[in-house]
Amino acid sequence: AQSVSQHNHHVILSEAASLELGCNYSYGGTVNLFWYVQYPGQHLQLLLKYFSGDPLVKGIKGFEAEFIKSKFSFNLRKPSVQWSDTAEYFCAVNGRYSGGGADGLTFGKGTHLIIQP
Amino acid sequence: NAGVTQTPKFQVLKTGQSMTLQCAQDMNHNSMYWYRQDPGMGLRLIYYSASEGTTDKGEVPNGYNVSRLNKREFSLRLESAAPSQTSVYFCASGSGGYYEQYFGPGTRLTVT
Repeated sequence: AQSVSQHNHHVILSEAASLELGCNYSYGGTVNLFWYVQYPGQHLQLLLKYFSGDPLVKGIKGFEAEFIKSKFSFNLRKPSVQWSDTAEYFCAVNGRYSGGGADGLTFGKGTHLIIQP
Repeated sequence: NAGVTQTPKFQVLKTGQSMTLQCAQDMNHNSMYWYRQDPGMGLRLIYYSASEGTTDKGEVPNGYNVSRLNKREFSLRLESAAPSQTSVYFCASGSGGYYEQYFGPGTRLTVT
């Protein structure tokens, strides 16, 4: 079974600080990788995705992530955070379960990011 | 274009009661999913349906049943609710396979 690890469960930053959230996954085959964001009281929204090609992917709201295959990592970055970035961030990979299907996503446990004005 | 919709938004059940959570999508997606979200646990897949007429177990299927009513609708049923099923339930849809999934607003369920 594959797994996703997010290293930081809680992160507190000041506005304009730079952000990097770690994500590592364990899976031996080809992966598709995602970062989702959940703003307070809202549902999950896709921030960015990696399928193939350029390992540096850009998403919405100034976020980017870099896929490093040798390190099994897909870290999320933003050069300068804003108060409105306060949210829960989830890393996910496409999953395969013992039931035989290949469609589910495996999520990390999430990182709760708080931006202080 | 409403995307993925879920009903109800909130529900309180007593142990042993049953209920069905409804989900519908208007994006013509083949695949639909049910996840539960618990504090510090991220989201875990309960069941999914890769296409109309098929359903498969995910990571945490015990205590749940699903029905893919048609291409648009995918319901989740709790036959005999337990306090351990207190959670936020998210429905999602997608094109299937490697593609991203789109999530509904969630149902917050409390079992007392």
